[in-house]
Amino acid sequence: DAGVIQSPRHEVTEMGQEVTLRCKPISGHNSLFWYRQTMMRGLELLIYFNNNVPIDDSGMPEDRFSAKMPNASFSTLKIQPSEPRDSAVYFCASSLAAGVSGGYTFGSGTRLTVV
Amino acid sequence: GESVGLHLPTLSVQEGDNSIINCAYSNSASDYFIWYKQESGKGPQFIIDIRSNMDKRQGQRVTVLLNKTVKHLSLQIAATQPGDSAVYFCAERPGSQGNLIFGKGTKLSVKP
Repeated sequence: DAGVIQSPRHEVTEMGQEVTLRCKPISGHNSLFWYRQTMMRGLELLIYFNNNVPIDDSGMPEDRFSAKMPNASFSTLKIQPSEPRDSAVYFCASSLAAGVSGGYTFGSGTRLTVV
Repeated sequence: GESVGLHLPTLSVQEGDNSIINCAYSNSASDYFIWYKQESGKGPQFIIDIRSNMDKRQGQRVTVLLNKTVKHLSLQIAATQPGDSAVYFCAERPGSQGNLIFGKGTKLSVKP
């Protein structure tokens, strides 16, 4: 099992550019989560999906952020246009089912730097 | 200039000692709790979980205690090793929907 796979590992972009982060959840997992981690705010939930359907996007900072899950094996988080305050580590996590206990498996994260 | 950011509580222990990391959670309706370990440059890694109908759960070298009366969670690590050095997060699930809310984290430093 390769675990949750995120790409890229590092992204440096200029302010105003579009950024797309990618995630491949563990096969068979029905829930997928996007988190953002900063020193100021710790780990924050941005959005999560159950069976490819967005359930709660209340953590998405603003309209510049959007997330999609076109199928069970792929999700994207897009920021357009990016701003320096978006610099953070973005984690994707997946779980077997949202209401079932057991670990939520995290990917290694994408470190985004917006200059 | 001074950097303003999240000031993590730090616990420093001697190798071989037991460690206790504490966490206060916020939602009395939370029914599931998880402890995660995060090493530098890596994503959070699952350590142990506990449901709200339990007050104690043991794993290999780790024990989680849950006190719902005061909304307190603790992680005990026996015979702490240098490899245990990391930031530890507690997380709660406020309902059956599935999203986790994370605490601010505690940095554990193990002295050899």
